[in-house]
Amino acid sequence: QVQLQESGPGLVKPSETLSLTCTVSGGSSTRYYWSWIRQSPGKGLEWIGYAYDTGSTDYNPSLKSRVTISVDTSKRQFSLKLSSVTAADTAVYYCARGRVARNPFFDSWGQGTLVTVSS
Amino acid sequence: DIVMTQSPDSLSVSLGERATINCKSSQSVLYSSNNKDYLAWYQQKPGQPPKLLIYWASTREPGVPDRFSGSGSGTEFTLTISSLQAEDVAVYFCQQYYIPPPTFGGGTTVEIK
Repeated sequence: QVQLQESGPGLVKPSETLSLTCTVSGGSSTRYYWSWIRQSPGKGLEWIGYAYDTGSTDYNPSLKSRVTISVDTSKRQFSLKLSSVTAADTAVYYCARGRVARNPFFDSWGQGTLVTVSS
Repeated sequence: DIVMTQSPDSLSVSLGERATINCKSSQSVLYSSNNKDYLAWYQQKPGQPPKLLIYWASTREPGVPDRFSGSGSGTEFTLTISSLQAEDVAVYFCQQYYIPPPTFGGGTTVEIK
């Protein structure tokens, strides 16, 4: 049974970079889309992007200019960097395992971590 | 982006009764080459992450009780809970994974009447 756990700062200042890491334990770590998804009261669930285990990536066009997702299969970790954050980026951030299809659906999720953007 | 619209926003159902949740996509999520609808359903309980219930519109994830079923094709889909149990109180989301970016519905809250 795969488990995912997010880690990183819960408070980020405006204009700075949000950085989160997801550690994967159990299960297989190959042939999945390793994804980040966020949830806020105002915007609901929003897919941020994914990194495939080959290192290829895809991002939501609405965030693409500010997002970098990378994967380190040897450490069984993948990470999210979101630059130039504003209060609108305040949300619960989830890491998730996406099954391979034209685009992913998500069969395992981390517990989520609340990131607040505030000075 | 494909817009996913769920209805109702919330519903109250008596224990043991049927709950029906609707999801409509702004364009078809049916891929004609394999005749599959790229539609998933999730359940989210308070303080927990979403949990995958159904994918390909009607395929139940292993371990999901058979009182949960998905139906529909093209642009209109339904999640049915055939006999509501207390542990089914949650918010339910649909998600399309046909056209990037993957997008989610706004959610439907299911409560006990």
